[in-house]
Amino acid sequence: GESVGLHLPTLSVQEGDNSIINCAYSNSASDYFIWYKQESGKGPQFIIDIRSNMDKRQGQRVTVLLNKTVKHLSLQIAATQPGDSAVYFCAENQAGTALIFGKGTTLSVSS
Amino acid sequence: DGGITQSPKYLFRKEGQNVTLSCEQNLNHDAMYWYRQDPGQGLRLIYYSQIVNDFQKGDIAEGYSVSREKKESFPLTVTSAQKNPTAFYLCASTPGRENSPLHFGNGTRLTVT
Repeated sequence: GESVGLHLPTLSVQEGDNSIINCAYSNSASDYFIWYKQESGKGPQFIIDIRSNMDKRQGQRVTVLLNKTVKHLSLQIAATQPGDSAVYFCAENQAGTALIFGKGTTLSVSS
Repeated sequence: DGGITQSPKYLFRKEGQNVTLSCEQNLNHDAMYWYRQDPGQGLRLIYYSQIVNDFQKGDIAEGYSVSREKKESFPLTVTSAQKNPTAFYLCASTPGRENSPLHFGNGTRLTVT
């Protein structure tokens, strides 16, 4: 079936660097995309979302970019901090369907 | 504070026993979901309910059952028919409107030996 995937299972950065986490999706009918952060032993926390009528959305230290032409989603984290270390999941859905999650990228931030 | 409560956090059972995982929300959300997470994997949908007294199977419903008698509660039973029940189980809810993010509980880690 349709699925959402991530390009890299792990990403290691230095504190203060900018991080970019990528995600490819396969369902061209998807119209809503979300990034979640999951810390060990906890449930995923919502970070930021974007609808298909947008190509960029910014939050506090985070930016999500959507490229519908190549079906690619990315999460940019500015000035990465040790507290950003976690697993990051992208998820997508089409109106009326349940979210589909990718496998996740583990972000490790060293100081 | 509003949120989703899953209990217990850790659960141990012997093979062949049914076990029920609790999920309660006080967010007044219409829709509730159960996901399963295995190590290094994404979340896979077990069951979801968009309204009281109604629920639908997700991608991996075999060996599981649910009920939705109250808006606030969506318990999941892992039956003895589930071949690989050991996993991290996550409950989530949304208001039910289109394009709204899921709010997750902190999960129950089930170990079956």
